[in-house]
Amino acid sequence: DVKVTQSSRYLVKRTGEKVFLECVQDMDHENMFWYRQDPGLGLRLIYFSYDVKMKEKGDIPEGYSVSREKKERFSLILESASTNQTSMYLCASSLSWRGLNQPQHFGDGTRLSIL
Amino acid sequence: SQQGEEDPQALSIQEGENATMNCSYKTSINNLQWYRQNSGRGLVHLILIRSNEREKHSGRLRVTLDTSKKSSSLLITASRAADTASYFCATVRGTGGFKTIFGAGTRLFVKA
Repeated sequence: DVKVTQSSRYLVKRTGEKVFLECVQDMDHENMFWYRQDPGLGLRLIYFSYDVKMKEKGDIPEGYSVSREKKERFSLILESASTNQTSMYLCASSLSWRGLNQPQHFGDGTRLSIL
Repeated sequence: SQQGEEDPQALSIQEGENATMNCSYKTSINNLQWYRQNSGRGLVHLILIRSNEREKHSGRLRVTLDTSKKSSSLLITASRAADTASYFCATVRGTGGFKTIFGAGTRLFVKA
């Protein structure tokens, strides 16, 4: 089974801090994604990556950056955390098949609180 | 804008009953997927239906897709308390699409 591991289940940080959320997958998937999930809004895509060192902005990239130095690891960075970034963050990975996106496998999420 | 929108937002049924959730979307799609999320956990993929398919089954799950109406439905038969979760539809646009768009979900509560 595919395993997607997020480094922390719960995280509390202060406004203005630089925050790193780490995600590792063990199935050699090409694609990796970062979402945030807020009540009533569903999942919103922040960034995704389809290869090492490649990244694409999602729907809400402002205030975030990402890093993919190795295929199995995709990091989300909050450059200067703000209270409106308090949310559940979900990482996912998927296999590419003929260039088309396959079902995504999710980690258990990081519930981030910015005080 | 929201691509997939589920209906109803919440559903409460008795164990043994069937549960039906609907999803509508706005643009053309390559495929549509359904996911389940238990409280406090990540999403788990349930079933994928391609744009050229009309119906698909997996165990107690039945998914239909009507591309002319841009809608899909997920039917869970003989529901169990363990089916209590949020259910999301997700769409992948066109060809070469990497971005999967998720709806806001339907919260299903199955009473024992």
